[in-house]
Amino acid sequence: DVKVTQSSRYLVKRTGEKVFLECVQDMDHENMFWYRQDPGLGLRLIYFSYDVKMKEKGDIPEGYSVSREKKERFSLILESASTNQTSMYLCASSTPHGGYEQYFGPGTRLTVT
Amino acid sequence: GEDVEQSLFLSVREGDSSVINCTYTDSSSTYLYWYKQEPGAGLQLLTYIFSNMDMKQDQRLTVLLNKKDKHLSLRIADTQTGDSAIYFCAASGPDSSYKLIFGSGTRLLVRP
Repeated sequence: DVKVTQSSRYLVKRTGEKVFLECVQDMDHENMFWYRQDPGLGLRLIYFSYDVKMKEKGDIPEGYSVSREKKERFSLILESASTNQTSMYLCASSTPHGGYEQYFGPGTRLTVT
Repeated sequence: GEDVEQSLFLSVREGDSSVINCTYTDSSSTYLYWYKQEPGAGLQLLTYIFSNMDMKQDQRLTVLLNKKDKHLSLRIADTQTGDSAIYFCAASGPDSSYKLIFGSGTRLLVRP
């Protein structure tokens, strides 16, 4: 069964802290994605990776960076958290073949105070 | 670039059919998807349709694609309270098909 896990379901951090969100998939997928979800805005793509050590900016990369050292793991880093980064963060993975459907983790609700 | 739009809210009675609509702008989208998100959870893939198909049926779910009008719909037959969730439409593009563009989601409320 397809599985994407995220390191935390809920996280509370202070303004200015460095924040790491981790995502692991067990499907040997090449592609991995980080989105943020805000009410009324749907899902917005932050970064994605199509291979180990490869990454591309999505629609809203400002204030974020990513790391992919191993195929199964994709990390999202908030270098200096700000209150406007309070959101739900969703990780997904997909294969570059067939229907390209993405499989999602349960999400991390991050609150920055 | 691609834009995907959905209405924000739909309310139906238990046992009725629900129809959730979506429009997209890029006529070259190869695949179109429907995802379901229950409260506090990630997105779960319900179904997807390839752009050369008009219809796809999977148990209580029927997807209709009108490529000329760039309109996608999801019909849920015999809607149950457990179907209450947010439903997202998503579209892929031909040049970067592994990137999906999501609509803002339709919240379905099923009344007993």
